[in-house]
Amino acid sequence: QSLLSQPPSMSAAAGQKVTIPCSGRSSNIGRNSVSWYQQLPGTAPKLLIYDNNKRPSGIPDRFSGSKSGTSATLGITGLQTGDEADYYCGTWDNSLNVVFGGGTQLTVL
Amino acid sequence: QLQLQESGPGLVKPSATLSVTCIVSGDSISSGGYYWGWIRQPPGGGLEWVGSLYHSGSTYYNPSLKRRVTMSVDTSKNQFSLKLSSVTAADTAVYYCARRHWEELSDYFDPWGQGILVTVSS
Repeated sequence: QSLLSQPPSMSAAAGQKVTIPCSGRSSNIGRNSVSWYQQLPGTAPKLLIYDNNKRPSGIPDRFSGSKSGTSATLGITGLQTGDEADYYCGTWDNSLNVVFGGGTQLTVL
Repeated sequence: QLQLQESGPGLVKPSATLSVTCIVSGDSISSGGYYWGWIRQPPGGGLEWVGSLYHSGSTYYNPSLKRRVTMSVDTSKNQFSLKLSSVTAADTAVYYCARRHWEELSDYFDPWGQGILVTVSS
């Protein structure tokens, strides 16, 4: 069982907003920054958010990240069918381990 | 533009050693103070960090795999490699290589290779 908890699946209507939660502990999210990855079907993960809330070049501002205490959230506004993917949060844990959430499969209705 | 490409056998027998290589192009593996890493994903499953290394040869392994993992770097060929010994069916996964940005409180992987599926089966 992962040290980071994510809901296995979420859904929202096209054009709407969704927030994907990632719950951790004081040993990981509580003291280290969080990154988020998007994995489209059949492809490799791609960095969406790093350092809790920063977007790499080329990532639209529809994607946002935040962190509070031992939890982090990925927000996506103006949902598009192309946003259907698995989303993973990740961070460093003080057990000397990189940890990822179990992933959230997003369906756009 | 930095690109990573995994290579290696797609099929490994149980109890044997899995060996995959990541070829880096578009930048030197020795530049920029970056780390390099391996992440794996079993079919239908989530991501699991395997380990990371620096161009100097310093290595950092997932504690749960540490006993079986060896990572190395060849700066002359601009590539790094992963060996996982005594494999079982549970090691069947897509193995991704990625550049790791790791400093102070910042830790993330970007970019990623396309991944290579390694199946453990007799």
